[in-house]
Amino acid sequence: NAGVMQNPRHLVRRRGQEARLRCSPMKGHSHVYWYRQLPEEGLKFMVYLQKENIIDESGMPKERFSAEFPKEGPSILRIQQVVRGDSAAYFCASSGQAYNEQFFGPGTRLTVL
Amino acid sequence: GESVGLHLPTLSVQEGDNSIINCAYSNSASDYFIWYKQESGKGPQFIIDIRSNMDKRQGQRVTVLLNKTVKHLSLQIAATQPGDSAVYFCAETGRLDGNKLVFGAGTILRVKS
Repeated sequence: NAGVMQNPRHLVRRRGQEARLRCSPMKGHSHVYWYRQLPEEGLKFMVYLQKENIIDESGMPKERFSAEFPKEGPSILRIQQVVRGDSAAYFCASSGQAYNEQFFGPGTRLTVL
Repeated sequence: GESVGLHLPTLSVQEGDNSIINCAYSNSASDYFIWYKQESGKGPQFIIDIRSNMDKRQGQRVTVLLNKTVKHLSLQIAATQPGDSAVYFCAETGRLDGNKLVFGAGTILRVKS
């Protein structure tokens, strides 16, 4: 049973470009969560999605960031017009039910030059 | 906002000794707690969880203790091994938090051979 998959594992972008991060949840999981981790810090919640719905986006910046989890395909975290402060590790987690353990993917490390 | 914090940022133990990692939480509405282990360059790995209707839960070589009176959580690792070296995070959530996990800053565990 494959775990949570994320790609790319490493992404380098120049300021002003767009970054698209993908997450495929564990098989059978319909709840997806995105977190951001700055160096030597804990993870910070960004957004919680179920298929085709955003349940909670209270941790996501109001501008330049968006997330989706379509009926078919992976969840996408999109960052437009990236700035250096967006450099971080972005982790996706999934759970089979709400209020259950969340299993994390390996993360995407975004570097903005 | 309320947050989860850790008492000790770094813990060094001798191989074979027991390790205790502590965590204080401030949100009295939290009722679900998880310990994660994160190795360098990897995503958080689920270790053990506990719900607020319990005060102790045991896994393989690990035990989580929950003291709701003083809002304290601990992770005990028996017979610590070099492979246990990592950063350990406690995370908490509650039904009012809508499934989003609030992570502590992390404790670095170093195992000396």
